[in-house]
Amino acid sequence: GAVVSQHPSWVICKSGTSVKIECRSLDFQATTMFWYRQFPKQSLMLMATSNEGSKATYEQGVEKDKFLINHASLTLSTLTVTSAHPEDSSFYICSAVTPGGRTEAFFGQGTRLTVV
Amino acid sequence: GENVEQHPSTLSVQEGDSAVIKCTYSDSASNYFPWYKQELGKRPQLIIDIRSNVGEKKDQRIAVTLNKTAKHFSLHITETQPEDSAVYFCAASTGGGNKLTFGTGTQLKVEL
Repeated sequence: GAVVSQHPSWVICKSGTSVKIECRSLDFQATTMFWYRQFPKQSLMLMATSNEGSKATYEQGVEKDKFLINHASLTLSTLTVTSAHPEDSSFYICSAVTPGGRTEAFFGQGTRLTVV
Repeated sequence: GENVEQHPSTLSVQEGDSAVIKCTYSDSASNYFPWYKQELGKRPQLIIDIRSNVGEKKDQRIAVTLNKTAKHFSLHITETQPEDSAVYFCAASTGGGNKLTFGTGTQLKVEL
């Protein structure tokens, strides 16, 4: 089956620093990847849609200058949280869809970000 | 945009009983409705999904029903077991690899 790998699984950073999270499709090419954020005991909220070779599409209320998304290849999308603050602490998770318009989404294992 | 509501937020059942979780959606263009099970700190796992051209789908102890007219769909788990304890999310999408909108989640606890 399709495998999506996310790295790192957890990260602790200081306030004001930037953190990069990688999302890789290991055995398929993903023209589209999605980035979600999940606060404790809450649902997954879509942050942005990452499109290979073009700018990401951000959901309303998500700061594009703070959450930088790059999808430079068909197997890699990155999310960089810039100038992180404690309120950015959350579980970040990506998903990808396989080519051909299939509907099933494959999720990475998630990244637990803690900003201190 | 799409809005998905999910009820109940918590559900406690005795082992062997059935559990039912309900969701409603707002966008009539949505045509793909997956259900996910998520354990603490883990990725969501697809347990069953249904497309708008069918009204019911079953996989062993798990079934999903869809009422397109009323814009609601439900997850049914029969003969619940302790390992079914987790958070369950419904979601909706217009398909074709488009984004998912998730429900608010249901914490299911199966008690011995």
